Amino acid sequence: DIVMTQSPGTLSLSPGESATLSCRASQSVSSSYFAWYQQKPGQPPRLLIYGTSHRATGVSDRFTGSGSGTDFTLTISRLEPEDSAVYYCQQYGSSPLLSFGPGTKVHIK
Amino acid sequence: QVHLHQSGPGLVKPSETLSLTCSVSGDSVNSNFWSWLRQSPGGGLEWIVNFFDNENSVSNPSLQSRAAISVETSKNEVSLKLRSVTAADTAVYYCARLRETLLWSGESSYSFDSWGQGLMVTVSS
Repeated sequence: DIVMTQSPGTLSLSPGESATLSCRASQSVSSSYFAWYQQKPGQPPRLLIYGTSHRATGVSDRFTGSGSGTDFTLTISRLEPEDSAVYYCQQYGSSPLLSFGPGTKVHIK
Repeated sequence: QVHLHQSGPGLVKPSETLSLTCSVSGDSVNSNFWSWLRQSPGGGLEWIVNFFDNENSVSNPSLQSRAAISVETSKNEVSLKLRSVTAADTAVYYCARLRETLLWSGESSYSFDSWGQGLMVTVSS
């Protein structure tokens, strides 16, 4: 089974700074089958990025996805207080068919 | 705009069947793929099951075939049944639309672009 890991576990940054979130898969993932989600307390996850680098509808261009193979990155530029959330990566296609990383918590000071 | 509204009991007894319903508005259940996922208290996201069509649904092997998903076209609803529940099945359950998007490369991308509000289900006697 594919295992998704995310680093760091927690990120504490100031407004205006940039955040770099990493996701690593234990096996190669097709870039078409990789996504990022944002989840705030008490809310369902929100799709940010699909197909590794495509922003979902209504997502700010401050969010950028990149990567290939086993290593993927979400970059959040010009951090705002509203970016405080947990960010999850997701793969589709490997066994199990769908799986998520454990999440990275981003705290804006 | 698509809206998913979940309903079902918040408490289920051990060994019984958990049954949840997701009412879809703004989209037809025949037009997309649908999924159920869950999130244990303080934990991460776990995919449960996908519905592709009446002949094709796929569930997470970790659930050992306990999960079943169905679609009721006349009601535009998606349902989940999870058999033989234990305390380990206590979680917030989500229904979601699994959207297939055709990329410029010609390949398809699969991601959850719409989610229900989430329903906390506790398994306890």
